[in-house]
Parts: sequence; C-alpha cells; structure tokens
Amino acid sequence: SQTIHQWPATLVQPVGSPLSLECTVEGTSNPNLYWYRQAAGRGLQLLFYSVGIGQISSEVPQNLSASRPQDRQFILSSKKLLLSDSGFYLCAWSVRGSQLTGELFFGEGSRLTVL
Amino acid sequence: GEDVEQSLFLSVREGDSSVINCTYTDSSSTYLYWYKQEPGAGLQLLTYIFSNMDMKQDQRLTVLLNKKDKHLSLRIADTQTGDSAIYFCAEEKASNYQLIWGAGTKLIIKP
Repeated sequence: SQTIHQWPATLVQPVGSPLSLECTVEGTSNPNLYWYRQAAGRGLQLLFYSVGIGQISSEVPQNLSASRPQDRQFILSSKKLLLSDSGFYLCAWSVRGSQLTGELFFGEGSRLTVL
Repeated sequence: GEDVEQSLFLSVREGDSSVINCTYTDSSSTYLYWYKQEPGAGLQLLTYIFSNMDMKQDQRLTVLLNKKDKHLSLRIADTQTGDSAIYFCAEEKASNYQLIWGAGTKLIIKP
C-alpha cells in the first residue's frame, strides 16, 4: 500500500534561519507531488507541484523553493525564513494520469512557527 | 474571482444530520470534492461528485450538486462524535485541473 511521510511534524525557527521540510512517498512510482500551505480560516494554498524529477512549478511568488531530487522525494526549502512563513505545510501526492486528478493523498503536515 | 465559499463553523447535536454547504465559481468544473481533516492531521478524500450528476450517496454521506446555482452540499446522516473535523470543499478547474479550495467548515458535535 502507498504511504506518505512528512517531517518534521513541528518546527520552531528564528527569523532569518533556513528551512527544510521533507516528504517521501512509498509504494507508488511517478507520482505527482504537491506542497500546500494551510492558514487558519483560509483554504489550502498550492505552493509547488511536480510531475517528475527536477520538474517544479511554482504557483505563488514567495520566500520558498522546492526540489525533487528523487522520484518520490519532495523538499520544501527556504534560505531565510520570514515571520509570514509560519503555518501548516502539507505534502500530497496523486496518481499521474488518473482521471480523478483531484484525488490527493496528504501527509500529516508540518507546523512551522517562525519567531 | 476564484473563490470557493463555505461557512467556517457548523454545530449539530449527536444523532442529527449535518449539512455543510459550499458555493463555487467555475461552471465548467469537472469534479467537486469533499475532504475531511481531523485535528492536527492531513486531509483525506471523503467523497466526490462528477459535474454531470445531481446527487451521490455513500452510506451516511449524501452529496447534492446544483450546477445552476453552483452550489454543493454534503449531508452527514446520524452525526457521530467521530465526525468532528474540518470539511473542505474543492472544485477542479476544467482549464488546468487545479483544485480551488474553500476555507473549510469546522463541524462541532454537541452531546
């Protein structure tokens, strides 16, 4: 069966420090991969998605970047965190070529607090 | 705009039916989805409906779609404490298959 692991689960970082959130999918090949941010009282905001190794699409300009060094690994990074980067970050995957393109499988999330 | 609108809170008594409403904007959306998020966790797909359907039923869940009014609802029959969660509505845009998400409705169950 397929699983998705996301870590760390919680993170407290000072302003200006770097960030690395990692996501790994197991039990499937060639998944589409996504990074979302969830803010309280607001819908999920798509940050990045990837359809293959090294292929990253950015949905919003921001202080963050993403990389996909391996087929089932997706990393969210920042060189210098801002207070506004605080939030709940969700990694997700979907089956490439599925007719139900909106069927996403989410990780447990990473709560980032920037102080 | 691209807003998907939901009420932020819904409070119901245990055993009653819950109806969570959602309005969307893209009349050409292909699929509409309901996701459930339990406290401190990621989201899980609960159910979905194809745009050419009016209703879909799955055990205690009933999804109603009114395309004319761009209105989607999720009815949970015999609401249980385990149904406490945030429920997200999302529409899949026909142009690029991206999901547009509502802000989520927090379902609160009263004993």
